[in-house]
Amino acid sequence: EAGVAQSPRYKIIEKRQSVAFWCNPISGHATLYWYQQILGQGPKLLIQFQNNGVVDDSQLPKDRFSAERLKGVDSTLKIQPAKLEDSAVYLCASSLGRRSYEQYFGPGTRLTVT
Amino acid sequence: KNEVEQSPQNLTAQEGEFITINCSYSVGISALHWLQQHPGGGIVSLFMLSSGKKKHGRLIATINIQEKHSSLHITASHPRDSAVYICAVGRGAQKLVFGQGTRLTINP
Repeated sequence: EAGVAQSPRYKIIEKRQSVAFWCNPISGHATLYWYQQILGQGPKLLIQFQNNGVVDDSQLPKDRFSAERLKGVDSTLKIQPAKLEDSAVYLCASSLGRRSYEQYFGPGTRLTVT
Repeated sequence: KNEVEQSPQNLTAQEGEFITINCSYSVGISALHWLQQHPGGGIVSLFMLSSGKKKHGRLIATINIQEKHSSLHITASHPRDSAVYICAVGRGAQKLVFGQGTRLTINP
């Protein structure tokens, strides 16, 4: 079974530029999560999708971050414009949903904003 | 105060030593997870438990629901166990709340 795929793996941009990350969850997984992990900290949930609907985006900085999961499968997370404090690893995870707490994580995208 | 607290934040030990990492939480949970994160970012689930004890190879996880505390033990530690170990608790709507992680280094 293929795992959660993310791209790119690494990205370096200058502040005020835009960047987009892509995630392909495990086939059949209804729930998709985007996390931000700043160096030395645990992951922080940015947004949670159930199929193509948003369950929780309370910690998403909506003035600069946006995310979509149009067909309930792949998802993209965008930052526009980026700030220095956005430097972090962005993790995508998926789960079956249906009260399953087992989450499967992708390899992450390491973003450096200079 | 974070909902999930881990200790220690950093741990260095010699190969073969018995390792214990602790996790305390302050909220009601449905399940507790122990995760492993190697350099490069990928996270792997080690255990999910809601009571008692689970064992997988040299890894043992325990949870005390009344005391809101869990421990991860590694017996006969090895350099390949070097990683960040993260405790996470399950909250409503399939949501996880993460601790800050414990960086473990095992020296040969």
